Amino acid sequence: EVQLVESGGGLVQPGGSLRLSCAASGFTISSYWMIWVRQAPGKGLEWVANINQDGSDKHYVDSVKGRLTISRDNAKNSVYLQMNSLRAEDTAVYYCARVRGSSGYAFDDWGQGTLVTVSS
Amino acid sequence: EIVLTQSPGTLSLSPGERATLSCRASQSVSSSYLAWYQQKPGQAPRLLIYGASNRATGIPDRFSASGSGTDFTLTISRLEPEDFAVYYCQQYVSSLWTFGQGTKVEIK
Repeated sequence: EVQLVESGGGLVQPGGSLRLSCAASGFTISSYWMIWVRQAPGKGLEWVANINQDGSDKHYVDSVKGRLTISRDNAKNSVYLQMNSLRAEDTAVYYCARVRGSSGYAFDDWGQGTLVTVSS
Repeated sequence: EIVLTQSPGTLSLSPGERATLSCRASQSVSSSYLAWYQQKPGQAPRLLIYGASNRATGIPDRFSASGSGTDFTLTISRLEPEDFAVYYCQQYVSSLWTFGQGTKVEIK
């Protein structure tokens, strides 16, 4: 069974940092692009970042460029999101998901999400 | 950036009725890269449709989708109680993804 489990969320002050983790099981992440998507309270979904299979290609939504960094450790079957210089508008549930190339680059499996709250 | 606009914002229907949800893109989208997701309160989104019209694994056949270019539609033929949720369309181009703002299907 495919499973993605996020962790590392919490309350952080503006300007602070957090590192989110996403541990995968039931499949090997080295064969897949992986992504982070976020959802602010009561709002819709926003793609945040993606990373290719070997970590050599990464892309970000404009609002997080220079502050959030996606990475992966295929040996640990895990994906990460380093979050620096956090702002109130980064408050959201952060989901990691698997990108299925054979399904038109749709996100075919998701974690349950981890809540990040940026507030003083 | 391609903007996806979903309509209506809220759809109030009764179980057994047909639901038709629209997703319009600000410029042409490849049908191969248009997807639909369902999200229930407190849950992660679930992939329903990929490639504009292909049901994901385990998705019942009351869900269908179609469209091309800038206009796409998700249809739920007969609403079951578990179908009341928020639905998002999504597109992919050149390593960038965008979502529509969502359509809430609520019980009338």
